Amino acid sequence: LAKTTQPISMDSYEGQEVNITCSHNNIATNDYITWYQQFPSQGPRFIIQGYKTKVTNEVASLFIPADRKSSTLSLPRVSLSDTAVYYCLVGGDGGSQGNLIFGKGTKLSVKP
Amino acid sequence: DTGVSQDPRHKITKRGQNVTFRCDPISEHNRLYWYRQTLGQGPEFLTYFQNEAQLEKSRLLSDRFSAERPKGSFSTLEIQRTEQGDSAMYLCASSPLTSGTNNEQFFGPGTRLTVL
Repeated sequence: LAKTTQPISMDSYEGQEVNITCSHNNIATNDYITWYQQFPSQGPRFIIQGYKTKVTNEVASLFIPADRKSSTLSLPRVSLSDTAVYYCLVGGDGGSQGNLIFGKGTKLSVKP
Repeated sequence: DTGVSQDPRHKITKRGQNVTFRCDPISEHNRLYWYRQTLGQGPEFLTYFQNEAQLEKSRLLSDRFSAERPKGSFSTLEIQRTEQGDSAMYLCASSPLTSGTNNEQFFGPGTRLTVL
């Protein structure tokens, strides 16, 4: 499974767009890029997943360049409730391989 | 609520005691996972079941740890002779056998273990 690198922490203000970039230089051909969100004292929650180009859902957008060596999670107009740790994961089918590999994540703090 | 549930939510025990945690996955989810998370770190994989079969165990999993999923539904994680280093949040997750989204696992709220 490819190793990921992302900033330890980020600060933002309510209403701003937040972009968290993750590096994964050794991504394999069949790897997907997945982002999870975790609030204190809760389990992680799946946010979005992509393979290439751009993916958008009701929560976030995921931008993946052609070389797939990095990806950017974009959170539009964040609110205080978006304060959480965000994890970037790279791998194939987490189910068939049995596990997800989490790094330390990016701690996002949204201020009023 | 039909999400993943875990019991208990908190457990305080003395060093050397045995503890057992329970996880009830989302109904009809064939796959069940256990993770451990310490402060400031991401979740760390412990073990994985597909139905009742334990298919994978982390090399980091001490032989004091054992997990079961006897009927392919709920699972238990037991830690024998607990040590202070076992203090952590123990997370359970489940996923269906086939999914339109790879790598999507549904996590429970966790059991926080404190070993004194």
